[in-house]
Amino acid sequence: ETGVTQTPRHLVMGMTNKKSLKCEQHLGHNAMYWYKQSAKKPLELMFVYNFKEQTENNSVPSRFSPECPNSSHLFLHLHTLQPEDSALYLCASSQATDDGYGYTFGSGTRLTVV
Amino acid sequence: TQLLEQSPQFLSIQEGENLTVYCNSSSVFSSLQWYRQEPGEGPVLLVTVVTGGEVKKLKRLTFQFGDARKDSSLHITAAQPGDTGLYLCAGEVNYGGATNKLIFGTGTLLAVQP
Repeated sequence: ETGVTQTPRHLVMGMTNKKSLKCEQHLGHNAMYWYKQSAKKPLELMFVYNFKEQTENNSVPSRFSPECPNSSHLFLHLHTLQPEDSALYLCASSQATDDGYGYTFGSGTRLTVV
Repeated sequence: TQLLEQSPQFLSIQEGENLTVYCNSSSVFSSLQWYRQEPGEGPVLLVTVVTGGEVKKLKRLTFQFGDARKDSSLHITAAQPGDTGLYLCAGEVNYGGATNKLIFGTGTLLAVQP
């Protein structure tokens, strides 16, 4: 399989639940990203990993916890979320320092917090 | 804070018409990328422009990067229903060798009626 794969595609969770989103890339890229896409808002960058090291945490609440065990896998651990956290969560990969190198996105996880 | 404003926000046109989408910012970017996103999927890269004044053509799509590398436009000739989707511009920021990151625009939702 090639490209960027995200699982699950859809997730409904209660505010007291703990769940994890998974992202896997088979492109040999060295950087991975989490973005949040909400209605009527631009895509918001959440976290950046370069060679497994977190290089950016864009003021994201601590109820979102990223993990990058290797350059091919990225997780987003969720706990005690709020209804306003409902959104499409997109994972992307790229070559970190190559100017003009586009991102490859996964299909996203549609998260609903009830 | 870098901000990319796209106009128009929404566009509904008839098949065969031409259209232009604009992406404007007060910030300078090392590259400007355009993506198209269809419902339930992640954004897909259409093109990257790197040099100020650069023009790239992709079949019926023409992309231009402003001379000052702060703005861009996307022109579609003879639009077809298959062009329907959310068009996103994204400016690339490079902090001197660190991981590049993309700042996304507000998006233009295009509907092409048959």
